[in-house]
Amino acid sequence: GAVVSQHPSRVICKSGTSVKIECRSLDFQATTMFWYRQFPKQSLMLMATSNEGSKATYEQGVEKDKFLINHASLTLSTLTVTSAHPEDSSFYICSARDGSRNTIYFGEGSWLTVV
Amino acid sequence: AQSVSQHNHHVILSEAASLELGCNYSYGGTVNLFWYVQYPGQHLQLLLKYFSGDPLVKGIKGFEAEFIKSKFSFNLRKPSVQWSDTAEYFCAVNARNSGYALNFGKGTSLLVTP
Repeated sequence: GAVVSQHPSRVICKSGTSVKIECRSLDFQATTMFWYRQFPKQSLMLMATSNEGSKATYEQGVEKDKFLINHASLTLSTLTVTSAHPEDSSFYICSARDGSRNTIYFGEGSWLTVV
Repeated sequence: AQSVSQHNHHVILSEAASLELGCNYSYGGTVNLFWYVQYPGQHLQLLLKYFSGDPLVKGIKGFEAEFIKSKFSFNLRKPSVQWSDTAEYFCAVNARNSGYALNFGKGTSLLVTP
C-alpha cells in the first residue's frame, strides 16, 4: 500500500544548529503534505500545510522563520528547524494526501532532541 | 472554536471485554471524521473514516464507529478487544471543503491485559 517515509527517525543536534527532516510519499504524488508536532502524552498539533510549488500555510503561533517548510516536488516535503533550542525537542510527524485514493497517510515520525 | 474531545485518557480492559471510546467535536458545518491508532513504536494508522452515508462505519481489525450528528459524536467501538489492541487511539476531524488538515483529539491510551 501507499507509504509515507520520514527521515531521519531520530536526530540529536546542538542548540543553535539547524536540522532538516524529510517526508517522502513513496508510491503516490502528494500535492499536499502536513507537518504535525506531538509532545509526549499529548495530541498531534498541526504546524503547517505544505503545498507543492507554493509557500506553506502556517498555523497560528508557529514561527515560519524557525520552521522552514519546502515542498519542491510532488513526493518530497522538508521541515527545517533553524537555530534549534531545547524546547524544540519533540516528535515531528508528516502526512501526505493521496488524491487518487482520497486518503491521508502518516509518516513514522521523527524524534528531535536538541541538547 | 473548533475542537475535538476524547473523554477517556487512559483505559484498561481485560481481553475479550468490549470497548467504547468517546469522541465529541465542536465544528460548524459538515465534517469528515477519522479514528487513527498508534501502536507502540509505530506510526499512525487509519482505523476508519466517515465522510457521508451510513453513519455506522466499519473499519479494520473489527473496529467500528457511529456518527451521531445530533450529539456531535463519533465513538469508536469493538465488541471484544485483544491484547494486540494495546495502543494510543486518536479521533480526528476536519471541516469539509476547508482543506485536508486534521484536528486531533488528545488521544486515549488503551491497555489490554491478558
